[in-house]
Amino acid sequence: SAVISQKPSRDICQRGTSLTIQCQVDSQVTMMFWYRQQPGQSLTLIATANQGSEATYESGFVIDKFPISRPNLTFSTLTVSNMSPEDSSIYLCSVDDRGNYGYTFGSGTRLTVV
Amino acid sequence: QKEVEQDPGPLSVPEGAIVSLNCTYSNSAFQYFMWYRQYSRKGPELLMYTYSSGNKEDGRFTAQVDKSSKYISLFIRDSQPSDSATYLCAMTGAGKSTFGDGTTLTVKP
Repeated sequence: SAVISQKPSRDICQRGTSLTIQCQVDSQVTMMFWYRQQPGQSLTLIATANQGSEATYESGFVIDKFPISRPNLTFSTLTVSNMSPEDSSIYLCSVDDRGNYGYTFGSGTRLTVV
Repeated sequence: QKEVEQDPGPLSVPEGAIVSLNCTYSNSAFQYFMWYRQYSRKGPELLMYTYSSGNKEDGRFTAQVDKSSKYISLFIRDSQPSDSATYLCAMTGAGKSTFGDGTTLTVKP
């Protein structure tokens, strides 16, 4: 399975600022996914990032708030913009290197907004 | 109503116990079923996956799927303290994946 390096692992940020999360995969993958995981809740898909095209956002998530870059087949970034305390969560990137049989996830970024 | 409902827990069991983790779902389009294990401060790790109804065994872990009842389970035999984690069920079908909320398991030595 793919190996994903995600950073930073955690950060504490001031409200109104932005944080960019990086995700590096050790192999080329077509699609990368960004999830949010709030305490006690399931993983919520933010967007799907394909190389060479605009990311596809799920209902409730917009590009202005969560801009995504996908410059090549092994790397993606998610920016959380103009942060508020409600953005405090764990953010995870993943790849579907197993097709329908599941995803490989990064270790996550634990974000606290104060 | 959520498409995937997972027994909320938390569960606390003594070492050596048999653990049963369960999810129900409502979407008949789900065809692929997975269980993830997530340790504290880590990302989810794929534990088991299956496609058809029936049982699939891997060491101390058994995944069970009953498509007619829309019910899946993960059994852990001879549970160990190292099994202490949050377990997430997940399902894929019709181009989408949906996760349960997770059940936190603690195995006490």
